[in-house]
Amino acid sequence: DTGVSQDPRHKITKRGQNVTFRCDPISEHNRLYWYRQTLGQGPEFLTYFQNEAQLEKSRLLSDRFSAERPKGSFSTLEIQRTEQGDSAMYLCASSLVGQSIDNEQFFGPGTRLTVL
Amino acid sequence: GENVEQHPSTLSVQEGDSAVIKCTYSDSASNYFPWYKQELGKRPQLIIDIRSNVGEKKDQRIAVTLNKTAKHFSLHITETQPEDSAVYFCAARAMDSNYQLIWGAGTKLIIKP
Repeated sequence: DTGVSQDPRHKITKRGQNVTFRCDPISEHNRLYWYRQTLGQGPEFLTYFQNEAQLEKSRLLSDRFSAERPKGSFSTLEIQRTEQGDSAMYLCASSLVGQSIDNEQFFGPGTRLTVL
Repeated sequence: GENVEQHPSTLSVQEGDSAVIKCTYSDSASNYFPWYKQELGKRPQLIIDIRSNVGEKKDQRIAVTLNKTAKHFSLHITETQPEDSAVYFCAARAMDSNYQLIWGAGTKLIIKP
């Protein structure tokens, strides 16, 4: 499968625990995005990377959230001390960006987080 | 920065009729406008997009129109079918935010048999 993959697909955790999600983008894509989506809402931007550099992080994002893309390929999103309000679908997307290249974002299947 | 508004939030149409979803954007320098479809429990997928140097683009039953002066763009689906039922998201690429897409809130399209 040459699309975007995410692991795990589902995660159930207790409040206060830490969780980590992984995203593997399409291999030649230089940009990787993390979004959060709750039922009935559009994707909410969390952060994105250009290669290994984290270029922007949402101002609404709690400092309990951190993301890395150490080698410019896969990325991890960690949530520390989870809260019930963190329950959502976490989507990863990747794209190829350049001056003359359209940046269609290809989404992964998402990781559904449930915090009890 | 860019802001995208999408209407309506829910649209119910009879099978076979047309559906139109509208979006407005605020950044006149935005130049790329994709539309994504998200079926229940699935990931968003690109269905059509348009660049600012084009006024209309069509792909079978789906078309997108862009009015740069008014800063709005619309998705048109003709001869709607049950499989068109989904949530549709518009987005705009803001030139001042490094190619980042700004998303609309989504339209839930319901096709009535």
